Amino acid sequence: DAKTTQPPSMDCAEGRAANLPCNHSTISGNEYVYWYRQIHSQGPQYIIHGLKNNETNEMASLIITEDRKSSTLILPHATLRDTAVYYCIVKVQGAQKLVFGQGTRLTINP
Amino acid sequence: EAEVAQSPRYKITEKSQAVAFWCDPISGHATLYWYRQILGQGPELLVQFQDESVVDDSQLPKDRFSAERLKGVDSTLKIQPAELGDSAMYLCASSSEVEKLFFGSGTQLSVL
Repeated sequence: DAKTTQPPSMDCAEGRAANLPCNHSTISGNEYVYWYRQIHSQGPQYIIHGLKNNETNEMASLIITEDRKSSTLILPHATLRDTAVYYCIVKVQGAQKLVFGQGTRLTINP
Repeated sequence: EAEVAQSPRYKITEKSQAVAFWCDPISGHATLYWYRQILGQGPELLVQFQDESVVDDSQLPKDRFSAERLKGVDSTLKIQPAELGDSAMYLCASSSEVEKLFFGSGTQLSVL
């Protein structure tokens, strides 16, 4: 599975859009981009995943660049409850093993 | 909404003692995972079950760790003997589709 690079930490003001970048320059054609988050003292929570088209659900939007070497997770109106560690993971669809890196610690400030 | 249940929530034990963690996945989920998370790091997969069969245990320290899922439903992870370096959060997850894992709240283990 391709390796990902994320900034270790980010801050965002409450009510603003939080944009979390992820670099995956060695991604191969059949690998998907997944995002999970982990709120303190809880297990990780699935957010969204995509291959090459932009995706949106009730939690977030995922923007993948045309060359697929990077992506951005967007939380459109961040709240204090969005403070968490966000993990960007790439893997082949159907391969069940999720390999977590260290993620980005996002802090939403009042 | 259905959840993955884990117990105990916290466990303190002494070095060389045996410990066991229990996980009850979401009903109907055939795949069950045990992850270990050391403070400040992302979770690391220890073992994966498909029904009652082990699919992947390549990162499980088999000299001291064991895992079972006898009836393909709930699962137990055991450590014997525990070492200081085993202090971590032990997370259980289950899935019915490979793209979305549901995690429990974990068992925080402290080995003294």
